[in-house]
Amino acid sequence: AQSVTQPDIHITVSEGASLELRCNYSYGATPYLFWYVQSPGQGLQLLLKYFSGDTLVQGIKGFEAEFKRSQSSFNLRKPSVHWSDAAEYFCAVGAGYAGKSTFGDGTTLTVKP
Amino acid sequence: DGGITQSPKYLFRKEGQNVTLSCEQNLNHDAMYWYRQDPGQGLRLIYYSQIVNDFQKGDIAEGYSVSREKKESFPLTVTSAQKNPTAFYLCASSHPGQTSHEQYFGPGTRLTVT
Repeated sequence: AQSVTQPDIHITVSEGASLELRCNYSYGATPYLFWYVQSPGQGLQLLLKYFSGDTLVQGIKGFEAEFKRSQSSFNLRKPSVHWSDAAEYFCAVGAGYAGKSTFGDGTTLTVKP
Repeated sequence: DGGITQSPKYLFRKEGQNVTLSCEQNLNHDAMYWYRQDPGQGLRLIYYSQIVNDFQKGDIAEGYSVSREKKESFPLTVTSAQKNPTAFYLCASSHPGQTSHEQYFGPGTRLTVT
């Protein structure tokens, strides 16, 4: 069965600093990988996705992620964080025709002024 | 605009009552999902449906029931058998025929049972 681990429960960065959120997955085949963002009390919004091709993928809001098969990782990065990036971030792995996804427990990002 | 609607945003019920959460989508997606979200536990899959008149249990289906009579609608009933129903419930949809399998989420319903 697939699984996702987000090792960092909570991360605090200063506005303008760089950001990296970690995600490790477990899946037997080539995975579909996603990063979603959730503002408090809201639904999830897709930031970016990977399923084949270039291992560095670009997403919305200036985010990017790199798929590293050897490390089973799909870390999310942003070169310069804005206060509006404060939210909860979820990594997910999808599998199978059903489109089911397994989500990590999330990382809460706090941005200091 | 296409999207997923969930109503109501907030729902309050007394213990022992069944309650039904609404989820409607106009994205023409075949698959729909219900998740439960508790603080620090991420999203847990309750039920999913790949096609009309068919649905499967997810990881935490006990105490919940669903129906899928129309492609656009996937209501979730939280029954009195659910031991701890207070949570944030998210509905999502996807189009499994597409390569990406990404899911589109509704705004959620916060259920409080006292």
